[in-house]
Amino acid sequence: NAGVTQTPKFQVLKTGQSMTLQCAQDMNHNSMYWYRQDPGMGLRLIYYSASEGTTDKGEVPNGYNVSRLNKREFSLRLESAAPSQTSVYFCASSARGGDGYTFGSGTRLTVV
Amino acid sequence: GQQLNQSPQSMFIQEGEDVSMNCTSSSIFNTWLWYKQDPGEGPVLLIALYKAGELTSNGRLTAQFGITRKDSFLNISASIPSDVGIYFCAGMNYGGSQGNLIFGKGTKLSVKP
Repeated sequence: NAGVTQTPKFQVLKTGQSMTLQCAQDMNHNSMYWYRQDPGMGLRLIYYSASEGTTDKGEVPNGYNVSRLNKREFSLRLESAAPSQTSVYFCASSARGGDGYTFGSGTRLTVV
Repeated sequence: GQQLNQSPQSMFIQEGEDVSMNCTSSSIFNTWLWYKQDPGEGPVLLIALYKAGELTSNGRLTAQFGITRKDSFLNISASIPSDVGIYFCAGMNYGGSQGNLIFGKGTKLSVKP
C-alpha cells in the first residue's frame, strides 16, 4: 500500500539549476496536485491535474511547470531555481472532486 | 481568492485536557475536511464533512460543519502525547469532477505529559 510516492525526499540546488520532482500514485486516482508548504503559510496549490491529459494553474504557479505523464504520474519541474522556491513540496491525489486528498510524505527542497 | 482563518495558531496543553480549534471562511464551502500533519510527513485526513450542521466523530476527535457553511470546528477530547502535530482545516467547493482544497494555516498542538 504505497499510496502517493514522492522522490527525492531531500534536495539542495544552487540558484539557476533545474530539477524535476517526481510523484506517483497507485490508487487509480483521477486527480493529482502539487502543493508547497512554507512556515506560517499553510499549504498553497501550485498546479493540479483534474484528469490524465489536463493540467491547470493553482494559486502560486510562477516558476514551475508540470507534466501529467500518465494516470499514475505527475511531475513538477523547476526550470531555474530561486531561493524563494525553498520549501517543502507535497504531491496529493484524489479519486474525484469532493473526496479528501491523499498526500505523499514530501520533498524538502533548499535553494542556495 | 478564498481564505480560511484558522485559530488558534498554536496551543500548549496538558495531557488529558480537551482541545478546540476552529476555521472560518469568507465564503461558503460544501465540504470541510480536517487533516493532521506529523513532523516530516504529509497531512493525513482525519474527518470529512459534507453537510451543513453535520457532526462527525473519529475516536476522540469530533468535527462539525457549521450551519452557515462558512465555518468548521474540531474538538479533541482527553489529549494524549501522540496528538502532537499540526492540524489543518480545508474547505472545498466541487462541481462536476473537480474540486480544489483551500487550506487554513494550521494549528500547532503541543501536549505536555
